[in-house]
Formats: sequence, C-alpha cells, structure tokens
Amino acid sequence: EDQVTQSPEALRLQEGESSSLNCSYTVSGLRGLFWYRQDPGKGPEFLFTLYSAGEEKEKERLKATLTKKESFLHITAPKPEDSATYLCAVQARNTDKLIFGTGTRLQVFP
Amino acid sequence: EPEVTQTPSHQVTQMGQEVILRCVPISNHLYFYWYRQILGQKVEFLVSFYNNEISEKSEIFDDQFSVERPDGSNFTLKIRSTKLEDSAMYFCASGQDYTEAFFGQGTRLTVV
Repeated sequence: EDQVTQSPEALRLQEGESSSLNCSYTVSGLRGLFWYRQDPGKGPEFLFTLYSAGEEKEKERLKATLTKKESFLHITAPKPEDSATYLCAVQARNTDKLIFGTGTRLQVFP
Repeated sequence: EPEVTQTPSHQVTQMGQEVILRCVPISNHLYFYWYRQILGQKVEFLVSFYNNEISEKSEIFDDQFSVERPDGSNFTLKIRSTKLEDSAMYFCASGQDYTEAFFGQGTRLTVV
C-alpha cells in the first residue's frame, strides 16, 4: 500500500536556526513527490515537485531533496513567517491522486 | 498570479440536505480534483476529472457524491443527503497536467 510518513510531527525553531523535515514514502513506482505549505484554515500552497532520486529544488530558504525512500525539506535560517504546516505527498505511476502525509507543524520564534 | 477560487468559504447545512461546492480552476488547466481534510487529519483524495469525465475516484467518493463541469470555467462537487461525517474542509485543485496540483483555499462544510 502506498504510504507517506512525515517526521517530526512538530518542530519549534529559533529564528535563524536551520533544520530539516523528513518525508519517508513507500509507493509502487514514484511519479512525483510534492511538498506543500499549509497555513491554518487555508489550502495547501505548492512548493516543489521532485521526480527522481538525486534531484534537488530550492526556493528562498527552502531546499527539497529526494532519495529512493525519502525526501528532506531543509530550512535555512528560518524566519517567523516560515511558520506553517509542511505537507509531503506522493503520486504513483498510473494514477492522478496525491497521497498525503500528516504534515510537520513548524513554529519559528523570533 | 492565477489561482483556484472556491465558493462559499463556509457552508453550514442540515443533515440530509444536498450541498454544492463550487470551484473556478486556473483557466488553462485541464486536470481537476477534489480533496477533503477532516479536522486534524490528512488531506484525502476524492476524485480526479479530465476530458469531461471522472478519471479516478477514491473509496470515499461513493454514490452520495458527484462532480460536474457545467461550463468552461466552473467545477462543482455535489454531496447528496449530507451526513455528520461529511463535515470537513473541501479543496478543489487543478493542474495543466497530472504532475501538478494547485489548491484553492477550501470550503469549510459543517453538517449539523
């Protein structure tokens, strides 16, 4: 069964304190791995799609990496405005649907 | 920047009533989706729609649910005879192809 597990469930960081969020997955043939940011009461906001092991993508203070079993979202020198829940989702081959993890709730304190 | 628009933002309905949730996808997108998120739980796939027909649906998407693209801009989710357990945030998403999904801000459905 296709599955996504995210860790930690929650993460508290001081402003400027870099860290990484983990997304472990099992899928019957990966078509893509997606990262989203979700603010309370809002829809998921697209960040990245990664397609193959070794791929990396960056956006401002965020960098996503992918291996055959997991993805990391690295946050460099975070700011309070980076506080949100970060969602990981996988899409298997021959399917349209995204399978989401439960997310990592990130809080960045000034 | 183009975005997916959903209306209403919040809908309260009585158990057993029918509701229609509305979405305006990004204009040049061809793939359309509905997802839902029960409070405190994962985002769950409901249905995907391409070329004017359902391309995939989950076990959740039973006969109580239907989708429609009545014109060139709207995409709707109808829930017949709502149940208490249908209370959730419902998200519409769209993409140019099946490798992307841009989400709207959601409709919070409360069934009382």
